[in-house]
Amino acid sequence: GAVVSQHPSRVICKSGTSVKIECRSLDFQATTMFWYRQFPKKSLMLMATSNEGSKATYEQGVEKDKFLINHASLTLSTLTVTSAHPEDSSFYICSARDAQRDLRDTQYFGPGTRLTVL
Amino acid sequence: GESVGLHLPTLSVQEGDNSIINCAYSNSASDYFIWYKQESGKGPQFIIDIRSNMDKRQGQRVTVLLNKTVKHLSLQIAATQPGDSAVYFCARGSGGYQKVTFGIGTKLQVIP
Repeated sequence: GAVVSQHPSRVICKSGTSVKIECRSLDFQATTMFWYRQFPKKSLMLMATSNEGSKATYEQGVEKDKFLINHASLTLSTLTVTSAHPEDSSFYICSARDAQRDLRDTQYFGPGTRLTVL
Repeated sequence: GESVGLHLPTLSVQEGDNSIINCAYSNSASDYFIWYKQESGKGPQFIIDIRSNMDKRQGQRVTVLLNKTVKHLSLQIAATQPGDSAVYFCARGSGGYQKVTFGIGTKLQVIP
């Protein structure tokens, strides 16, 4: 159990276009989902925390108008990279926190989405 | 500021030997310290965590040690296998797992 999926796994787009990445919790409800980005051979950096039905909380230095996050249901959060540029190329990873109290409090990570902006 | 870092960026270990991956942290306001394994092109996989009020926790072939005096965390992997080859991240969790801050990562290479 506790599987998180992401779609797409890889995406290549032209500079100036927008890209949407989906994060789904497949077998549990997630009131909170997190979005990270990871550059090659670097660590994961938290971008934002999204709570179902409310606005996302962005980390310092992350542009909320650039990285739009929607968490419309307990099993789905989306990250839209608007007007993507080559410097946005990265590995984007989501995680979800299980809402059920009787399960272990932890974050379950998705497999990541490789974004390449040409 | 808060940070979680690692001593060694790369660790090469002979198959069957034990591996020890170290991590130092500078901020002790954490509920959990966590170890994740990340294989190439994949998301992090939870290995084991330890509450900040504990010193040691054991799992299957893994042991995490926490020394709060010197702010040091280690992951010990017994009888290292080729499948253990990956990048290992230490991380801290605050507010339970509400916020997880990752360290730099250590690449573990298992030599057959």
